[in-house]
Amino acid sequence: AQSVTQPDIHITVSEGASLELRCNYSYGATPYLFWYVQSPGQGLQLLLKYFSGDTLVQGIKGFEAEFKRSQSSFNLRKPSVHWSDAAEYFCAVNTDKLIFGTGTRLQVFP
Amino acid sequence: DAGVIQSPRHEVTEMGQEVTLRCKPISGHDYLFWYRQTMMRGLELLIYFNNNVPIDDSGMPEDRFSAKMPNASFSTLKIQPSEPRDSAVYFCASSFGTPGEQYFGPGTRLTVT
Repeated sequence: AQSVTQPDIHITVSEGASLELRCNYSYGATPYLFWYVQSPGQGLQLLLKYFSGDTLVQGIKGFEAEFKRSQSSFNLRKPSVHWSDAAEYFCAVNTDKLIFGTGTRLQVFP
Repeated sequence: DAGVIQSPRHEVTEMGQEVTLRCKPISGHDYLFWYRQTMMRGLELLIYFNNNVPIDDSGMPEDRFSAKMPNASFSTLKIQPSEPRDSAVYFCASSFGTPGEQYFGPGTRLTVT
């Protein structure tokens, strides 16, 4: 069955530090992969997506993600985190519907 | 475009009452999704429509929940009768051509006392 695993429930980083959020998926075919962000009290917003082609994809707000088929991973990265990046981040795989991971809550210290 | 519009933003009701949540998807989008989010269960897909037709309602928790999409620009999620365990944030989302790239509304926070 298709699934998405985000092994880190909560991550804390200092402002200006680099960030990597992990995502592993289970899907038999070539996956369509997404990262969404949810700020407190708001709906989810699409950060970036991977359909095919270049395995390193760029998104909004300075985020990028790398698709690694051999590792079934689609990790999200940002070289320098800003305090406004504090939010919950969801990885998702598209089958006939979106399968979301359980989310990673990011806390940013000044 | 105004994005996905949901109403009301907050709803407080007493157990046993009927609750109706409303959603207006982005114009031109052909997929519409209803989700429920709680601390305990995370984000759950309840039902989704394609071209106004329900495709998968396997996430609808029980017969108390029903959803309709009478036209391309409007959908409702109804709970009758409501129970305290229905308290959650309900999101509507829409997409075009694929279920993947979804645009979410701001959500309706439902509290059932």
